[in-house]
Amino acid sequence: DTEVTQTPKHLVMGMTNKKSLKCEQHMGHRAMYWYKQKAKKPPELMFVYSYEKLSINESVPSRFSPECPNSSLLNLHLHALQPEDSALYLCASSLDRGGEQYFGPGTRLTVT
Amino acid sequence: GQQVMQIPQYQHVQEGEDFTTYCNSSTTLSNIQWYKQRPGGHPVFLIQLVKSGEVKKQKRLTFQFGEAKKNSSLHITATQTTDVGTYFCAGLWGQFYFGTGTSLTVIP
Repeated sequence: DTEVTQTPKHLVMGMTNKKSLKCEQHMGHRAMYWYKQKAKKPPELMFVYSYEKLSINESVPSRFSPECPNSSLLNLHLHALQPEDSALYLCASSLDRGGEQYFGPGTRLTVT
Repeated sequence: GQQVMQIPQYQHVQEGEDFTTYCNSSTTLSNIQWYKQRPGGHPVFLIQLVKSGEVKKQKRLTFQFGEAKKNSSLHITATQTTDVGTYFCAGLWGQFYFGTGTSLTVIP
């Protein structure tokens, strides 16, 4: 199984809502990533987990809260988002940090 | 901060023509990866280069890593309509920094 799955595919939320994005992989990868991608821009790294520990947090606002319950799962909890947070949120995993990254299909988030 | 720039930003070619995108880093990289993202899709890994001066080929694609490990290129020979998409380099310097991307359009 060489797939990274993400749910939901699309999400529309108001600025006062709380929601979560989910990511799962069963490739035995020990590094997992959250990226944010705006239209016609490169992916921007938000968080990196290595061996279930947060190792990089790229100065992301606290309204984004990552969680890694186990080595296969990665969540991104969203609270009090702004319209400018609307973007494609991509999850990726790699065998270890610095390795080939497998990306999920992404969650298209719209904040109204 | 670390920057990885790619040129050109956009490239339109006739099917059958060659295509090259260049990736330049402000600092020396540990390694570099290349990804392809189709319109509406997600990035898909193409290759990783680690050694100074390394050249790797995948069918019509040729990847190079510069001697100083600060630049890289991707060359596609005889483009096909299936090559359409945005090509990103991603340089490893502590963590991966994605390049600005080159969007390739192939005109049949």
